[in-house]
Amino acid sequence: AQSVAQPEDQVNVAEGNPLTVKCTYSVSGNPYLFWYVQYPNRGLQFLLKYITGDNLVKGSYGFEAEFNKSQTSFHLKKPSALVSDSALYFCAVRPYNTDKLIFGTGTRLQVFP
Amino acid sequence: NAGVTQTPKFRVLKTGQSMTLLCAQDMNHEYMYWYRQDPGMGLRLIHYSVGEGTTAKGEVPDGYNVSRLKKQNFLLGLESAAPSQTSVYFCASSPSGRDPKNIQYFGAGTRLSVL
Repeated sequence: AQSVAQPEDQVNVAEGNPLTVKCTYSVSGNPYLFWYVQYPNRGLQFLLKYITGDNLVKGSYGFEAEFNKSQTSFHLKKPSALVSDSALYFCAVRPYNTDKLIFGTGTRLQVFP
Repeated sequence: NAGVTQTPKFRVLKTGQSMTLLCAQDMNHEYMYWYRQDPGMGLRLIHYSVGEGTTAKGEVPDGYNVSRLKKQNFLLGLESAAPSQTSVYFCASSPSGRDPKNIQYFGAGTRLSVL
């Protein structure tokens, strides 16, 4: 079955430190990968995507993600966390030649001052 | 600059009551989606539409019906609400479902409680 796993329910990091939010996937064929962020009482906002090409993709608000085909991972990273980055982060995959997204369960990022 | 608009924002229903959630998008998108978000389960696709007049089942369609009579609107109906349908519902739209360059744009959500 095709799926996305976010192994951490919550990630805590101090402001100014680097952060990583993990995502692994299981799909057949080449996937399209996405990260979305959800702030309290808001809808999901697109952060970045991997379609093809360079394994390191850069997105909004200083976030980046690294696609690793051998490890089937697409971890979200930021060099220096801000308190305002505190939110719920979702990884999603669109299997090749389909029109639907499969979402992970979400990881809550808490950045402490 | 509305994007995707969902109404209502909040609703409380009694078991057995019916209601309709409205999603409207002003981006001329072909594809529209309804998801539900539950703690620890992420977003699960209920129904979706690939164009005006079309609908298709997603991962968790039971207990819901949808209609796409106009391109800009996608309605989600609950004919007989059950407590298991207590959730936050999100609508999304996309220019096309299969073009990898396209992303989904989400509304702010509808928080539904069924007592």
